Amino acid sequence: RKEVEQDPGPFNVPEGATVAFNCTYSNSASQSFFWYRQDCRKEPKLLMSVYSSGNEDGRFTAQLNRASQYISLLIRDSKLSDSATYLCVVNRPGGFKTIFGAGTRLFVKA
Amino acid sequence: DTGVSQDPRHKITKRGQNVTFRCDPISEHNRLYWYRQTLGQGPEFLTYFQNEAQLEKSRLLSDRFSAERPKGSFSTLEIQRTEQGDSAMYLCASTRGGSNTGELFFGEGSRLTVL
Repeated sequence: RKEVEQDPGPFNVPEGATVAFNCTYSNSASQSFFWYRQDCRKEPKLLMSVYSSGNEDGRFTAQLNRASQYISLLIRDSKLSDSATYLCVVNRPGGFKTIFGAGTRLFVKA
Repeated sequence: DTGVSQDPRHKITKRGQNVTFRCDPISEHNRLYWYRQTLGQGPEFLTYFQNEAQLEKSRLLSDRFSAERPKGSFSTLEIQRTEQGDSAMYLCASTRGGSNTGELFFGEGSRLTVL
């Protein structure tokens, strides 16, 4: 079993749709959690951190459920520019080793 | 440009040859990471350094792989006796140490093709 698991998709949604991605992690002692975005043939970039209390950044909302070892990302009012791969990221205990999921691909269509 | 830089951006080599990649992190970042990424997969952790110390190395790395960060600044990743399965994008990332802010800053990667 992979340490971080995501649905690979692809998710094909129309502009304006709401889409949600899920991620599970296996190490219950993992300390911090993130979503990264990776455009085609580009390097990954931080989208947002994920906190137990949940956090929101514009159209993006991230949630963490430590009991279920589950992370989610919600994108509201999808834009064409949201088309990318979304990577779920977990830091191991100690905070040094950063593990990436395989990514979920999103295509937003006009 | 003060971001993470990697060199070369592309490398084509024949099976059995040795290759070396270089990474220059953001100057004030003391942690440096190497990842490997293949098509349709997320970045796979290879190794990381805090300053010049290599603190962890993935079991994914065979003895053919070695990484160094001799002065705690730039790093090199060497692959000896390359195999076709080594073909991938090799990504370097850096971050500031201390309390983990979580944000890794990636370079644009070095794409390796082994023929």
